[in-house]
Amino acid sequence: EVQLVQSGAEVKKPGESLRISCKGSGYSFATYWISWVRQLPGKGLEWMGRIDPSDSHTNYSPSFQGHVTISADKSITTAYLQWSSLKASDTAMYYCARRNDGTFDYWGRGTLVTVSS
Amino acid sequence: HSVLTQPPSASGTPGQRVTISCSGSSSNIGSNTVNWYQQLPGTAPKLLIYTNNQRPSGVPDRFSGSKSGTSASLAISGLQSEDEADYYCAAWDDSLNGPVFGGGTDLTVL
Repeated sequence: EVQLVQSGAEVKKPGESLRISCKGSGYSFATYWISWVRQLPGKGLEWMGRIDPSDSHTNYSPSFQGHVTISADKSITTAYLQWSSLKASDTAMYYCARRNDGTFDYWGRGTLVTVSS
Repeated sequence: HSVLTQPPSASGTPGQRVTISCSGSSSNIGSNTVNWYQQLPGTAPKLLIYTNNQRPSGVPDRFSGSKSGTSASLAISGLQSEDEADYYCAAWDDSLNGPVFGGGTDLTVL
């Protein structure tokens, strides 16, 4: 069974750093790109960027380029999304999703990130 | 604002047929396939329709999709209370070199 298991909810202060994770199982992790998708409170879905776990090649949406870093460790079938300095406006739910033949066919349950002083 | 345009809300009564539209441009829907995702309250999105009109295993045939030019539609027939959810269209965008989503449509079953 394909699963993407995300790390738990985080509460951080502005300026702090954070890395959240997404562990894939039940399939060949290196074969499928992993994307990260943001959902602001009460809002829609926004694609942030993606990574090819086989070689860690990344693409970012212009809206998120420079603000976050996507990485992966294929040896432990895990992808990451990280911030070096969080802002209150980063408060959102973050989903990882597997990219398969032009679709997001499996999604993680989401990681809620709250940034508040 | 979102690259793909959807109505913010839609509604229908049980048993009714409802459609949700999704409008894009030549760089996304006009040149790539459309997918639809269903997000039930408090849960992660789920793939509902792929490649314009294909249903993944387990999705009821009450759900159907279509595409014409730079627009797409999701139709739900025999509406049920459990269909209350947010629905998002998505397509690859050649200019962005990434996928784009619609703003989502909040479906209410009256």
